[in-house]
Amino acid sequence: DVKVTQSSRYLVKRTGEKVFLECVQDMDHENMFWYRQDPGLGLRLIYFSYDVKMKEKGDIPEGYSVSREKKERFSLILESASTNQTSMYLCASSPDGRWGELFFGEGSRLTVL
Amino acid sequence: SQQGEEDPQALSIQEGENATMNCSYKTSINNLQWYRQNSGRGLVHLILIRSNEREKHSGRLRVTLDTSKKSSSLLITASRAADTASYFCATDVLQGAQKLVFGQGTRLTINP
Repeated sequence: DVKVTQSSRYLVKRTGEKVFLECVQDMDHENMFWYRQDPGLGLRLIYFSYDVKMKEKGDIPEGYSVSREKKERFSLILESASTNQTSMYLCASSPDGRWGELFFGEGSRLTVL
Repeated sequence: SQQGEEDPQALSIQEGENATMNCSYKTSINNLQWYRQNSGRGLVHLILIRSNEREKHSGRLRVTLDTSKKSSSLLITASRAADTASYFCATDVLQGAQKLVFGQGTRLTINP
């Protein structure tokens, strides 16, 4: 089975802190994604990566950056966390491009105080 | 408004009954997917239906797609308590920023 592992299920950070959310997949998928999920707003795409060191902005990239140095690992970085970045963050991978079946991790719930 | 919108937003039924959720979308698609999300967890892929397919089955799940009406439905037969979850449709956006777009989901509660 495909496994997508997010490093932290729950994080609490303070405003202004730098936050790293790590995601690792074990199925050699080319494509990886970061979404955030908020009540009433659904899932919104933050960034998408289709290859090592390649990335594309999604709907809401402001305040976020990403890193993909190895195929299996896709990191989401909040350079200076703000309270409006309190959310559930979901990582996903796909073998079939940006429109294929997505395999999700369990999510990382981030609270910024 | 969203590319994919589910209806109803919430549905509560008795165990053993069938549950039907609908998804409408606005632009042409290549395929439509359904996902399930248990509370506080990640999403799990259920089924993908292509634009040239009208119906697809997987176990107790039946998905239909009507491209003329730009709508899809997910039917769960003989519901179980374990089916309690949120269900999302996702469509591929072919114009502009090409991506998979999720609706806001239907919250399904199965009462024992």
